[in-house]
Amino acid sequence: DVKVTQSSRYLVKRTGEKVFLECVQDMDHENMFWYRQDPGLGLRLIYFSYDVKMKEKGDIPEGYSVSREKKERFSLILESASTNQTSMYLCASSSHRAEQYFGPGTRLTVT
Amino acid sequence: DAKTTQPPSMDCAEGRAANLPCNHSTISGNEYVYWYRQIHSQGPQYIIHGLKNNETNEMASLIITEDRKSSTLILPHATLRDTAVYYCIVSLISGSARQLTFGSGTQLTVLP
Repeated sequence: DVKVTQSSRYLVKRTGEKVFLECVQDMDHENMFWYRQDPGLGLRLIYFSYDVKMKEKGDIPEGYSVSREKKERFSLILESASTNQTSMYLCASSSHRAEQYFGPGTRLTVT
Repeated sequence: DAKTTQPPSMDCAEGRAANLPCNHSTISGNEYVYWYRQIHSQGPQYIIHGLKNNETNEMASLIITEDRKSSTLILPHATLRDTAVYYCIVSLISGSARQLTFGSGTQLTVLP
């Protein structure tokens, strides 16, 4: 089975802190994604990557950056966390086929 | 990607079949129909996908109408653990990364 893991299930950070969310997949997938999910807004794509060191902006990249130094790992970085970045963050991966496999999510609270 | 329409909520008795409809009347010929579900506080889970033929796997069956304008996801013997939000999505398969656009889905509640 495909396994996508995320570094934390719950995280509490203060405004202005730098936050790292890590995602690791074990299926040698080329593509990796970061979404955030908020009530009433569904899943929104932040960034995705189709290869090591490659990244593309999604629908809401402002305030975020990403890093993909190894194929299995995709990191989401909040340079200076703000309260409006309180959300559920979901990582996903996929091969050349379109079905995506999601991690369990990280619920981030910024106070 | 084509837009999909799903009922906001449905109930189903435990042990009975759950039939979840999806309308995708603007689907193009090379777009696939995907189904995902999300159990509360967990990440979405891939269920099944199809192009024009009916598909079945260990989780569910997918019935796509001949004109491809609608489809139905069937959970043959629903259990309480199938209570979740079910998303119907249409998307191309391509060699590059493809984002999925999740709508609001159908909240399925399986009743004891």
